[in-house]
Amino acid sequence: ELKVEQNPLFLSMQEGKNYTIYCNYSTTSDRLYWYRQDPGKSLESLFVLLSNGAVKQEGRLMASLDTKARLSTLHITAAVHDLSATYFCAVEETSGSRLTFGEGTQLTVNP
Amino acid sequence: NAGVTQTPKFRILKIGQSMTLQCTQDMNHNYMYWYRQDPGMGLKLIYYSVGAGITDKGEVPNGYNVSRSTTEDFPLRLELAAPSQTSVYFCASSLKAGNTIYFGEGSWLTVV
Repeated sequence: ELKVEQNPLFLSMQEGKNYTIYCNYSTTSDRLYWYRQDPGKSLESLFVLLSNGAVKQEGRLMASLDTKARLSTLHITAAVHDLSATYFCAVEETSGSRLTFGEGTQLTVNP
Repeated sequence: NAGVTQTPKFRILKIGQSMTLQCTQDMNHNYMYWYRQDPGMGLKLIYYSVGAGITDKGEVPNGYNVSRSTTEDFPLRLELAAPSQTSVYFCASSLKAGNTIYFGEGSWLTVV
């Protein structure tokens, strides 16, 4: 059974600071997704990582995937308040039809 | 720009009642999914479908049923509702494996 673990689960940071969220998973996969969820809202797709070494950046967020280590990171650069949300990673099984989600990282960026 | 549409958005059910959550997508996606999200938790897969006429169980299928008679629609049926089914339900779709998965707005269900 595929397990996906995120850490930290809660993150409070100051504006302007950098931080990294980690996503570990338990079985072989080369497809990993990052989503953002605002309170009471649906999930917004941030990144789709489809190969070992994949790196994608959008604004202050950068995601990477190391399939050998079964690890993805979501790096936040110079955080701003608007980034406050819950961030989920999700791993797609190699059969290609099921996503398993991590528990989410609740990020709060304080002025 | 409809994307994935779920109805109803909010519903209160009594224990033992049944209901159907509707999901429609207009992107001609082959893959469709139903997830539930309990408070403060990640999403858990209930059922999924890789095409019309094909459905399969996910991680937490007990107490639910689905059908996929058309590419567009993927309704989720709750039989004999229980308090443990109080949750937010998300329908999602994607064209194929490895593609972006798009989520609906969610359906908030309370069983009392």
